[in-house]
Amino acid sequence: QVQLVQSGAEVKKPGASVKVSCKASGYTFTSFPMHWVRRAPGQRLQWMGWSNNGNTKYSQEFQGRVSITRDTSASTAYMELSSLRSEDMAVYYCARGAASNGYVMDVWGQGTTVTVSS
Amino acid sequence: DIVMTQSPDSLAVSLGERATINCKSSQSVLYSFNYLAWYQQKPGQPPKLLIYWASTRESGVPDRFSGSGSETDFTLTISSLQAEDVAIYYCQQYYSSPLTFGGGTKVEIK
Repeated sequence: QVQLVQSGAEVKKPGASVKVSCKASGYTFTSFPMHWVRRAPGQRLQWMGWSNNGNTKYSQEFQGRVSITRDTSASTAYMELSSLRSEDMAVYYCARGAASNGYVMDVWGQGTTVTVSS
Repeated sequence: DIVMTQSPDSLAVSLGERATINCKSSQSVLYSFNYLAWYQQKPGQPPKLLIYWASTRESGVPDRFSGSGSETDFTLTISSLQAEDVAIYYCQQYYSSPLTFGGGTKVEIK
């Protein structure tokens, strides 16, 4: 079945970087875009950006701090966020763009909790 | 950015009764179709796609879930609330970048 499995929880110090992986299975990885979305405590879901056909687009809010990449040979997507601050503490999700419209997210990873603490 | 505003923040509905969640966008998301989706998120789980194009149910979603509305005003209706529907529901616009979500509506059993 179609599945996205993310890497485990991370604890980072302020100013550090974190890299979260998302391994896809059950479908042709290169045929669908991949989004990254986060949910901080008490906040709404927040779209960070996406990777599609080798192209990437980021939310202006994270521009310069986020990098979304893919390893097609491993069917794995990555999201790296740098210069971490306390406000970046959140659950980070990868989500596949749907066939009906790539901006709708039809399959989600289980989430990766990132804690930022000195 | 398009701002998505949901109401109410929470609601409690008796089992078998109707639940109605509203979503308003700061500008129209209509361009041939309404670029509006709904998701359900249960505690400890990732969001699940329920509806896209404002009213098209995702495969496998029970038909008690329905979406309606156009341009800037949208509604998600659960026609007969079941215990397993307890969750937070989010709307999302995909008309323009950045993609944006509503603040969520928490649905509980009365």
